[in-house]
Amino acid sequence: ELKVEQNPLFLSMQEGKNYTIYCNYSTTSDRLYWYRQDPGKSLESLFVLLSNGAVKQEGRLMASLDTKARLSTLHITAAVHDLSATYFCAVDSGGGADGLTFGKGTHLIIQP
Amino acid sequence: SQTIHQWPATLVQPVGSPLSLECTVEGTSNPNLYWYRQAAGRGLQLLFYSVGIGQISSEVPQNLSASRPQDRQFILSSKKLLLSDSGFYLCAWSGTWDSPLHFGNGTRLTVT
Repeated sequence: ELKVEQNPLFLSMQEGKNYTIYCNYSTTSDRLYWYRQDPGKSLESLFVLLSNGAVKQEGRLMASLDTKARLSTLHITAAVHDLSATYFCAVDSGGGADGLTFGKGTHLIIQP
Repeated sequence: SQTIHQWPATLVQPVGSPLSLECTVEGTSNPNLYWYRQAAGRGLQLLFYSVGIGQISSEVPQNLSASRPQDRQFILSSKKLLLSDSGFYLCAWSGTWDSPLHFGNGTRLTVT
């Protein structure tokens, strides 16, 4: 059974600081996704990582994938308040059509 | 462009009552469709997925069922709701094997 673990689960940080969220998964997969969820809202796709060494960047967020270590990171650079949200990583279970397995999410609060 | 519609947005139902949540996708054909549930404040649990009309796979045994009567329509049902069925229900679709899941706006269900 595929397990996806994120840490930390809760993070409070100040604007302007850098931080990294980690996502570990238990079985071989080369497809990993990052999502953002604002309070009371649905999930929005941020990044799609499809191979070992993949790196994607959008604004102050950068995601990377190391399939050998079964690890993905979401790095936040010079955080701003608007990035406050819950971030989920999700891993393809290997079957293609049978859905993604999600981590429990990292609740990120960025304070002025 | 593709859009996904999910309704109702919120629902309050008494224990033992039936449930029907509907999801439709526009702008694509033969999508993979998914129902996820998110318990208060936390991660997502895959309930059902479908790769075609009439084809339903269940991930978790429960008193819920799903149907796909048309190519772009996915319905989540229950004959008798339990308190534990409360949560945020999200419908999602995907296209190609490497594309992310695209989520609807969700239905917040409270069983009283």
